[in-house]
Amino acid sequence: DTAVSQTPKYLVTQMGNDKSIKCEQNLGHDTMYWYKQDSKKFLKIMFSYNNKELIINETVPNRFSPKSPDKAHLNLHINSLELGDSAVYFCASRRRGWNEQFFGPGTRLTVL
Amino acid sequence: EDQVTQSPEALRLQEGESSSLNCSYTVSGLRGLFWYRQDPGKGPEFLFTLYSAGEEKEKERLKATLTKKESFLHITAPKPEDSATYLCAVQAENTGFQKLVFGTGTRLLVSP
Repeated sequence: DTAVSQTPKYLVTQMGNDKSIKCEQNLGHDTMYWYKQDSKKFLKIMFSYNNKELIINETVPNRFSPKSPDKAHLNLHINSLELGDSAVYFCASRRRGWNEQFFGPGTRLTVL
Repeated sequence: EDQVTQSPEALRLQEGESSSLNCSYTVSGLRGLFWYRQDPGKGPEFLFTLYSAGEEKEKERLKATLTKKESFLHITAPKPEDSATYLCAVQAENTGFQKLVFGTGTRLLVSP
């Protein structure tokens, strides 16, 4: 199936740990995004990568580092996890010249 | 700062009872307004893009309209399967990287 996929679906970890979330899209899109959805369902952009170049960093703490090995993948690495990092993280992608973004199924991160 | 406000926060309808969801926005030049549907535990699913005041888009029982200050999502004769959270987002002209600013959504519950 053509889609945006994320792994893992659920991630439970202790404060202070380092974790990664992976995203892959097989839609041939050029730009990929990370969004964070908090407990109140508010969806806010964190990063965007266009052809492997970071073009947004919305005042996200530098404990969060996106890495894009190629234009089909955008991973999110989080260092020294804090309680406030608990949220659902969504990956999205967009084709060049189009405005619509297509979202993955989300990764629910719980920091204990 | 670009802002999106959605109302009501939650809406309960009987099957067949038509209604509208509201999305008010302030943006420094609108490039596009987007409607998404989000089911529990899933990522947002793209529904519509509207670009200019007076524009309308339809899909099955849903119709989206746009004015200079707000958008409406009309739901005609809803069915239980229309139950979901509906998210509105705007994209400003001054963002070269297609950033979406989301509202907090309207949770719709359609009872049989």
